[in-house]
Amino acid sequence: DAGVIQSPRHEVTEMGQEVTLRCKPISGHDYLFWYRQTMMRGLELLIYFNNNVPIDDSGMPEDRFSAKMPNASFSTLKIQPSEPRDSAVYFCASSFRRDNSPLHFGNGTRLTVT
Amino acid sequence: GENVEQHPSTLSVQEGDSAVIKCTYSDSASNYFPWYKQELGKRPQLIIDIRSNVGEKKDQRIAVTLNKTAKHFSLHITETQPEDSAVYFCAARVIKAAGNKLTFGGGTRVLVKP
Repeated sequence: DAGVIQSPRHEVTEMGQEVTLRCKPISGHDYLFWYRQTMMRGLELLIYFNNNVPIDDSGMPEDRFSAKMPNASFSTLKIQPSEPRDSAVYFCASSFRRDNSPLHFGNGTRLTVT
Repeated sequence: GENVEQHPSTLSVQEGDSAVIKCTYSDSASNYFPWYKQELGKRPQLIIDIRSNVGEKKDQRIAVTLNKTAKHFSLHITETQPEDSAVYFCAARVIKAAGNKLTFGGGTRVLVKP
């Protein structure tokens, strides 16, 4: 298995622009998570899906952030408009439903908003 | 919701010595406790995990202990090597019918000096 695949690996954009991050979970995994990592706040859970349905979006910082999962093999995290404080590494992760199923992370997208 | 505290935030050890990282959690319903290792510029990767019906688990040089009464768990690395240098994250998960949410501690940066 290729693991969780994220794109792009790096994104540099100007403040005010729309940013779309993409994720393909491991085939068969029914949970998908979006995390944001910064030095100040560590690993923060933004939102997670079960069987393509958003379960908990309480970590989404503002209305500028939105996430979708149109099917079992694809999810997007969109920021519109982007701001410099959104600069971070965004990780997508997936897992099975089983109690002790580990979380598998993608390689992350490093976002820089200037 | 669940809150996970991790200490220390940084840890410097001499090669060959042991390293211990401690975490506490707040939700007594948490029943799954993984540990992740993140090398510089890479994704977090699972190194060991423990369930709430087990008090200790070992895998070669790493071991994890769990005290459910006190709501804390620890990672022990023996005979440390330079390649153990990384950031380590503990996490706790409550398995619920409607969710599968993993909450991470703030991370411990471990430096193994040769």
